[in-house]
Amino acid sequence: DGGITQSPKYLFRKEGQNVTLSCEQNLNHDAMYWYRQDPGQGLRLIYYSQIVNDFQKGDIAEGYSVSREKKESFPLTVTSAQKNPTAFYLCASSIGRGSKNIQYFGAGTRLSVL
Amino acid sequence: DQQVKQNSPSLSVQEGRISILNCDYTNSMFDYFLWYKKYPAEGPTFLISISSIKDKNEDGRFTVFLNKSAKHLSLHIVPSQPGDSAVYFCAARQINDYKLSFGAGTTVTVRA
Repeated sequence: DGGITQSPKYLFRKEGQNVTLSCEQNLNHDAMYWYRQDPGQGLRLIYYSQIVNDFQKGDIAEGYSVSREKKESFPLTVTSAQKNPTAFYLCASSIGRGSKNIQYFGAGTRLSVL
Repeated sequence: DQQVKQNSPSLSVQEGRISILNCDYTNSMFDYFLWYKKYPAEGPTFLISISSIKDKNEDGRFTVFLNKSAKHLSLHIVPSQPGDSAVYFCAARQINDYKLSFGAGTTVTVRA
């Protein structure tokens, strides 16, 4: 059945290490998004992509990188430059613009620093 | 600068009663508003939305009210059920924009 799959569910990062979070969708959605959630805060946008091979920075892009080589996939790399990476990361997708642009979310990846 | 604010971090309500969640926004360019529900360790799920051309939208037990002049919206859940215990996020955007701005969320606890 259709949906958004994030993996892994839990991830641990060592100091100075880059880690990549996977996000795959089979909803045939054009747009995909990465958010970060910290305790007591709302979701903050890291990066988003409207179409394959194109992506834009969100509000907190520093220390993160993304790629969009396939419509179905939008991996997020948390680089060593991100000094406070511990958070819950959520991937979302949507069909496009306008009133039909409802974002649907995956189950999330919880990233912790060792 | 947070453009969407949910000033009540938590709400406790008895089963069968009404839950009222409030949300304020500062960006007058926002014209589409959404509510999401989130259980622990899961992603948010879409609940209900409203565009700025309406002041009310109803879907079953859930009703969203929009007061554009006050830049305020509210979500009413009637009657509240134990399965409604979750975190509720208010979100807003310009209708042709991709980016959503989220509030910090309100944790609802429905007591038996």
